[in-house]
Amino acid sequence: EVQLVESGGGLVQPGGSLRLSCAASGFTFSSYWMSWVRQAPGKGLEWVANIKQDGSEKYYVDSVKGRFTISRDNAKNSLYLQMNSLRAEDTAVYYCARGGGSYLYWGQGTLVTVSS
Amino acid sequence: SYELTQPPSVSVSPGQTARITCSGDALPKQYAYWYQQKPGQAPVLVIYKDSERPSGIPERFSGSSSGTTVTLTISGVQAEDEADYYCQSADSSGTSVVFGGGTKLTVL
Repeated sequence: EVQLVESGGGLVQPGGSLRLSCAASGFTFSSYWMSWVRQAPGKGLEWVANIKQDGSEKYYVDSVKGRFTISRDNAKNSLYLQMNSLRAEDTAVYYCARGGGSYLYWGQGTLVTVSS
Repeated sequence: SYELTQPPSVSVSPGQTARITCSGDALPKQYAYWYQQKPGQAPVLVIYKDSERPSGIPERFSGSSSGTTVTLTISGVQAEDEADYYCQSADSSGTSVVFGGGTKLTVL
């Protein structure tokens, strides 16, 4: 059974940093692109970033370029999102999803709240 | 930046057919995907590659494509289909993933 479990969310002040993790199991992690998708409270889905199987290609939505970094550790079956210079508008549930451009499997999400 | 446009809301009575459209300039070149999301839950893929249905998704869900518009059709709508529906695709370069703004389906 495919499982994606996010962790690392919480309350952070504007300008602060947070690192999200996603633990994957039930499939060969190193064979798949992986992505982060977020959803602000009461709003729609927004793709954040994705990463190729070997980490050699990474893409980001314009609003997070230069602030967020996606990475992965295939030995640990884990996906990460380092978030720096956080803003109020980054407040959202962050989902880890398997795939680069379509998402059959999603985690349950982790809430990031940016507020003073 | 590239955008996908969906109607904010669609309402239908049980047993009727619901159609949700999604428009975008790159849709003739890029596949579209549809997700169903119920409150407090993660999204569920209901249509992939414009018209394919994942295992376990009821046959009443179907997808179609025509030019710059893709359509999710739900035939014989049931109360349990009430949810938010999102289309998703990529820009013409294929490097940016885009979601539509979402459509709230209300079953009257």
